[in-house]
Amino acid sequence: SAVISQKPSRDICQRGTSLTIQCQVDSQVTMMFWYRQQPGQSLTLIATANQGSEATYESGFVIDKFPISRPNLTFSTLTVSNMSPEDSSIYLCSGSRGEVTDTQYFGPGTRLTVL
Amino acid sequence: AQSVTQLDSHVSVSEGTPVLLRCNYSSSYSPSLFWYVQHPNKGLQLLLKYTSAATLVKGINGFEAEFKKSETSFHLTKPSAHMSDAAEYFCVVSENTGFQKLVFGTGTRLLVSP
Repeated sequence: SAVISQKPSRDICQRGTSLTIQCQVDSQVTMMFWYRQQPGQSLTLIATANQGSEATYESGFVIDKFPISRPNLTFSTLTVSNMSPEDSSIYLCSGSRGEVTDTQYFGPGTRLTVL
Repeated sequence: AQSVTQLDSHVSVSEGTPVLLRCNYSSSYSPSLFWYVQHPNKGLQLLLKYTSAATLVKGINGFEAEFKKSETSFHLTKPSAHMSDAAEYFCVVSENTGFQKLVFGTGTRLLVSP
């Protein structure tokens, strides 16, 4: 199994600013993922981050708004840019070896509130 | 494309009674299916997963689920609810098309009363 930590655990930000969320895994994982969970909603995949390549974004999410870095096999960051109140959500990262049957291990999430 | 439908947004049970959380899936390919639990202000924890082996899957904390292809269902059950089971439960599907992409259901909130 893998243990995943995220920083910060929560933040309150002003409209128009940006926040970078860090995701650290205690072991090497092939694939890392970023999800958004809007209040009272389920999880929606934002993008898949692989080391050494550009992140792959899902429909409705763009790199300019959610730039992602994946410098190595245990770390990734997600930036929420030019924030608006609609970006208020929980952002979760996860990691797995990448095989379709593998378990994805999730971090505790970052609760973001944009004023 | 794959999708998951969780038929109940809320389920209420009394402690000691059985739990049934319903999930139906749609998938063009042979799917992998998962149940995750999310306790308040906590991350997601895997309860169990089906990956084309035994159709009856046993997970942690006494939960189990049965994959029924004919009914496209993957319902989660537990014989006797405990107060600590109160949480949000997500049914999740991943198609076996060479890479992993999880699609989450809308979630079922389980309420357990004394």
